[in-house]
Amino acid sequence: DAGVTQSPTHLIKTRGQQVTLRCSPKSGHDTVSWYQQALGQGPQFIFQYYEEEERQRGNFPDRFSGHQYPNYSSELNVNALLLGDSALYLCASSFLGGPNNEQFFGPGTRLTVL
Amino acid sequence: QKEVEQDPGPLSVPEGAIVSLNCTYSNSAFQYFMWYRQYSRKGPELLMYTYSSGNKEDGRFTAQVDKSSKYISLFIRDSQPSDSATYLCAMRGDSSYKLIFGSGTRLLVRP
Repeated sequence: DAGVTQSPTHLIKTRGQQVTLRCSPKSGHDTVSWYQQALGQGPQFIFQYYEEEERQRGNFPDRFSGHQYPNYSSELNVNALLLGDSALYLCASSFLGGPNNEQFFGPGTRLTVL
Repeated sequence: QKEVEQDPGPLSVPEGAIVSLNCTYSNSAFQYFMWYRQYSRKGPELLMYTYSSGNKEDGRFTAQVDKSSKYISLFIRDSQPSDSATYLCAMRGDSSYKLIFGSGTRLLVRP
């Protein structure tokens, strides 16, 4: 049973460019959350998608947007990249109907903005 | 002030030692408490999940939550070099699915 998968593993972009990161949730999960983890820090919540809609959002600008597909996979898009967007981007999946709604993380995509 | 405070360490212990990792928090609405383990350049791995106050044990790991003190702990018995990693505490409220993380404690278990 595959866990949460993310692609690509690494990405290098320049300031001002746009990037799309992809996530496939764990089998049986229907909810996807995205987090940004700067070096030496804990993950920061970006937003969560359920039933193809953004249901909760953290303190991130509109440059960060997302999408969820009918098969529950998700994309994170970041426009007008800044140097400060360099981080590990983590996707977490969960099952909304579960008793505890535990979130399981993927390996992350490391984004470097030059 | 951060909602969740965690000592960054590093914490260095000899193999076989009992390790104690802790977090404090300020939001009394938090009800779900988690510990994740993160190896270098990898995603966080869920270790323990606790609802409200009390203790939970799983193998060598014990999680404790004291909501009256807004303090949570993770104990690792018989620590192994393979336990060397960063340990992140995380928590959320009943009406939110957003996890609030501590900054992580780096643990080194010396052979």
